[in-house]
Amino acid sequence: DAKTTQPPSMDCAEGRAANLPCNHSTISGNEYVYWYRQIHSQGPQYIIHGLKNNETNEMASLIITEDRKSSTLILPHATLRDTAVYYCIVRALNYGGATNKLIFGTGTLLAVQP
Amino acid sequence: DTEVTQTPKHLVMGMTNKKSLKCEQHMGHRAMYWYKQKAKKPPELMFVYSYEKLSINESVPSRFSPECPNSSLLNLHLHALQPEDSALYLCASSQGGKGLDNEQFFGPGTRLTVL
Repeated sequence: DAKTTQPPSMDCAEGRAANLPCNHSTISGNEYVYWYRQIHSQGPQYIIHGLKNNETNEMASLIITEDRKSSTLILPHATLRDTAVYYCIVRALNYGGATNKLIFGTGTLLAVQP
Repeated sequence: DTEVTQTPKHLVMGMTNKKSLKCEQHMGHRAMYWYKQKAKKPPELMFVYSYEKLSINESVPSRFSPECPNSSLLNLHLHALQPEDSALYLCASSQGGKGLDNEQFFGPGTRLTVL
């Protein structure tokens, strides 16, 4: 699985959009970009994933550059409850094999300020 | 029900003790996982079970022994642990099988302290 690079920490004002970048310059054509977050003292939580098109769900939007070497997770209106470590993970989608490995990088600690 | 439960929430054990961590899910998932997370570090995969069979062991020491008695349950048996094994132990599950497997659902973890 390709490695990812994220800034160690970011601040965001409550109510503003939080834009979390991720570099994955060695991503392969069959690898997806996944985002998980981990709120303090909880298990990680899936947010969103995508291959090459931009994706949006009820939690966030994922913008992937055309060359797929980087992506941005956008929380449109950050709240205090969004304070967490956000992990960007690149992996091939599993189609029934036994290699469901999530390799977490160091992530970005997002601190939402009141 | 999209919940993965783990018991106990906290566990303190001595180096000569034998204890077990338990994980349960009722989402019909056929893949289950154990991760270990040290303080201020990301989770690290330990084991993967697929259809109740061990499919991945990330070179974990034998003092950690996983068991998957059925498709809903995953145990981690602990014996002769060291203080450096103190960590948060996370269980997760995913759909597995012959289909898209997008999301892993994580439990809240068991915080283990080895004295």
